[in-house]
Amino acid sequence: DQQVKQNSPSLSVQEGRISILNCDYTNSMFDYFLWYKKYPAEGPTFLISISSIKDKNEDGRFTVFLNKSAKHLSLHIVPSQPGDSAVYFCAASATDTGTASKLTFGTGTRLQVTL
Amino acid sequence: NAGVTQTPKFQVLKTGQSMTLQCAQDMNHEYMSWYRQDPGMGLRLIHYSVGAGITDQGEVPNGYNVSRSTTEDFPLRLLSAAPSQTSVYFCASSYSGQDHNQPQHFGDGTRLSIL
Repeated sequence: DQQVKQNSPSLSVQEGRISILNCDYTNSMFDYFLWYKKYPAEGPTFLISISSIKDKNEDGRFTVFLNKSAKHLSLHIVPSQPGDSAVYFCAASATDTGTASKLTFGTGTRLQVTL
Repeated sequence: NAGVTQTPKFQVLKTGQSMTLQCAQDMNHEYMSWYRQDPGMGLRLIHYSVGAGITDQGEVPNGYNVSRSTTEDFPLRLLSAAPSQTSVYFCASSYSGQDHNQPQHFGDGTRLSIL
């Protein structure tokens, strides 16, 4: 039972345009959400996060939006750059589990930014 | 400034062999964890530790043992390797398992094949 879902395995966007990566979750106990970026042969690296008490968090070119009623979050990258080409993982955690760092990951979306 | 170091990077085992995947961090992080990444499955939590001497099971613990005798090291042991354990294994650490604002740092992974 996949509690965090990324339904788009891949996405191709032109350089300079907006990239929108989507993530849905089913567990109502999740109260913190993160996006990780992963290059081939490397480990995931933290990109941006959002608490369930917010609906938006912005860091430079990256913005994460959270819609709790729809159990949906999205990552916007504006403008997209070739170096953004990577696999993006959505992850979620539930503070009530007693360990905030236990993450449940989605299956990932491979973003390709073309010239 | 090594961060999270995983060894080896690649390993091939025969069914029934045992092996220890090493993970070390030099950031004085209390929380450490092991994930496995399989195609189409995202990253799944195997075991985690909130501090030296304390370990607990994650989502997919069967077939794996861990121990945490020091803050720096968190080895993952396969006692009798099975083909289903063929995967890419990632170790991660963070300052505290209770602090959402301390995202996890991942190692570059160990690619393990069981024949």
